[in-house]
Amino acid sequence: QVLLVQSGSELKRPGASVKVSCKASGYTFSTYSMNWVRQAPGRRLEWLGWINTDTGHPTYAQAFTGQFVFSLDTSVNTAYLQISSLKTEDTAVYYCTTLWFGERDSFDFWGQGTMVTVSS
Amino acid sequence: DIQMTQSPSSLSASVGDRVTITCRASHGISNYVAWFQQKPGKAPRSLIYGASTLQSGVPSRFSGSGSGTDFTLNIRSLQPEDFATYYCQQYNSYPLTFGGGTKVEIQ
Repeated sequence: QVLLVQSGSELKRPGASVKVSCKASGYTFSTYSMNWVRQAPGRRLEWLGWINTDTGHPTYAQAFTGQFVFSLDTSVNTAYLQISSLKTEDTAVYYCTTLWFGERDSFDFWGQGTMVTVSS
Repeated sequence: DIQMTQSPSSLSASVGDRVTITCRASHGISNYVAWFQQKPGKAPRSLIYGASTLQSGVPSRFSGSGSGTDFTLNIRSLQPEDFATYYCQQYNSYPLTFGGGTKVEIQ
């Protein structure tokens, strides 16, 4: 079955960096792009962007350029989200998700989420 | 960016009730809307895409409708496992955007 397994919770100081991993299994990794979505406490879901798992080309939502970097290691079917210069407002659960909807089918699978807490 | 305005933000209902949640897009998005259910501590799970297509395995008491700017999620007879937060999401254009959520609570 399709699984997206993310790395564990992180506690970071403001200004630090963090790298979240998302290991995919159960399907051909290069077939579906990987999206990143975050959910800060009590807030709506926010889409950070996506990475083409075939070419490695990332696309960032305008609000998330600069601080966020998507990458891949296709040898282990893993996508990464790196966040630099962390601020307290980056405290959130970060999800990887395939989030694909076609006209007659879909491929929508989510990781379990990674809690990133930024606190001094 | 396309804004998705969801209402109500919360509601109280009883088992067996019919529930309606609405979502309005700031621009026309054809039928490129998905609805998600999220339970505490869990990832969202899609219920409906294409505004009205039920995901495999989702009970038929869930239904969606709408096109253009106005969309609706209906739950025909609320079951105990349906108490959760529901989100709409548009995938007509980037950036993908979500509604603010509707928390369905037990009355």
